[in-house]
Amino acid sequence: QLRLQESGPGLVKPSETLSLTCIVSGDFIYSGAYYWAWIRQSPGKGLEWIGSVFYSGSSFSNPSLASRVTVSADTSQNQFSLTLTSVTAADTAVYYCARQGSEHTTTSFSFDFWGPGALVTVSS
Amino acid sequence: EIVMTQSPATLSLSPGESATLSCRASQSVGANLAWYQQKPGQAPRLLIFGASTRASGFPDRFSGSGSGTEFTLTIRSLQSEDFAVYYCQQYNNWPPITFGPGTRLEIK
Repeated sequence: QLRLQESGPGLVKPSETLSLTCIVSGDFIYSGAYYWAWIRQSPGKGLEWIGSVFYSGSSFSNPSLASRVTVSADTSQNQFSLTLTSVTAADTAVYYCARQGSEHTTTSFSFDFWGPGALVTVSS
Repeated sequence: EIVMTQSPATLSLSPGESATLSCRASQSVGANLAWYQQKPGQAPRLLIFGASTRASGFPDRFSGSGSGTEFTLTIRSLQSEDFAVYYCQQYNNWPPITFGPGTRLEIK
């Protein structure tokens, strides 16, 4: 059964870099059928897509965050990662990793499996 | 960027009633629309994809319809476990993937 689990610090200081990893079990990110994505949700707010990566390393990110975001995949560890630089309090959110379909899947580009989420607080 | 809007923001209904939730896109997304259900303290869960295909694990009282810019999620005979927040999401033209602000379905 597919499981995704976010891992990383729960507290980051302003102006520093947020780094999270999503550990995937029950599927292989190099299968080539899916993208692997990061989505966040600020406290009491809606959902914001951050970026998605394919096993090959090709990635897409939200233009609103693009200058600060890197999404990467490590097929040897079967995990993918998020790096967000120069964080501010506005980056405080629950960060979710998720599996995203592709043109090769019936679910297309929707997000069919999610991790439980990791709260990251930006504060000094 | 395609902007998604949802209405109403909050819907108060009683168990057994039917719910109609609306989602609108700022430009056509074809049928490339998904709905998610989110309960407090949990991750969102894929409910509908392709505007009308129900994801596994959801009963047939959930149905999605629409295409282009207007979409509807209908829930018949509301059960206690259906009260949650529902988000729509377009994936027709990305990046960026965009979500609606959500509709909170609460018990009246």
